[in-house]
Amino acid sequence: AQSVTQLDSQVPVFEEAPVELRCNYSSSVSVYLFWYVQYPNQGLQLLLKYLSGSTLVKGINGFEAEFNKSQTSFHLRKPSVHISDTAEYFCAVIRMDSSYKLIFGSGTRLLVRP
Amino acid sequence: EAQVTQNPRYLITVTGKKLTVTCSQNMNHEYMSWYRQDPGLGLRQIYYSMNVEVTDKGDVPEGYKVSRKEKRNFPLILESPSPNQTSLYFCASSPGQTSNQPQHFGDGTRLSIL
Repeated sequence: AQSVTQLDSQVPVFEEAPVELRCNYSSSVSVYLFWYVQYPNQGLQLLLKYLSGSTLVKGINGFEAEFNKSQTSFHLRKPSVHISDTAEYFCAVIRMDSSYKLIFGSGTRLLVRP
Repeated sequence: EAQVTQNPRYLITVTGKKLTVTCSQNMNHEYMSWYRQDPGLGLRQIYYSMNVEVTDKGDVPEGYKVSRKEKRNFPLILESPSPNQTSLYFCASSPGQTSNQPQHFGDGTRLSIL
C-alpha cells in the first residue's frame, strides 16, 4: 500500500521569503509523484510532476521540487513567494503499474502575509 | 477549452433525499474518478471508471453509486444521503493510457446533508 505524509498542515510565510513544503511517501512499488495546488473555491491544478530522470523538477509559477529516493521525499520549494501563492498544496503519488488511483497527502495550507 | 464540469457547485439537502452530482469531460478521456475532500484527510477516492460500462470501488465507496453509460459523463449518485457524506467532492479524468498522465479536476461540489 502507498501513503503520503505532509507533516505541516499550515505554513505561514512573509511575502518574498522562501518556502519549503514537505512531503514524504511510503510505497512498496515504484511511484510517480505530483504536487497539486488548490486555490479557494477551485479544483486542483497540477503544479509539477516527477516521472523519471533528473530529480529536480520545475513547475508552474516558479515552484520546483526535488525527488529524493533514499529519503522517500518530494519537497516543494519556491525561492520567493507572492500573496497570490496563498492556497492549499497537495502532494500525491500513483503507482507505476496499471493503477490510476492517486494517493493524496492531507494537504498544506500556505499562507503568505504582506 | 479542455475541462471537467461538475454540477451543482453547491447543494444543501436533507437526509434521505436522493441526489445526483453530474460530471462531464470534453477531452475524450477514458479514465474518470470521484474523490471526496475532508479537512485533515486530503482527497480520498470514492469510485473510478476505466471506460464505458467499467466501474470499480475506490477507498470509500459506501453510500455512493456511479454509472458510466457514455465516455464523457460519470455521475455520482447518493441514494440516501446522510450527514457523514457532507463534504467537498471532486471529479477527475485522465487519458488512461498510462498512469503517469496527470488527472484533470473539476472545480468541486460542496454538499451539505442536514
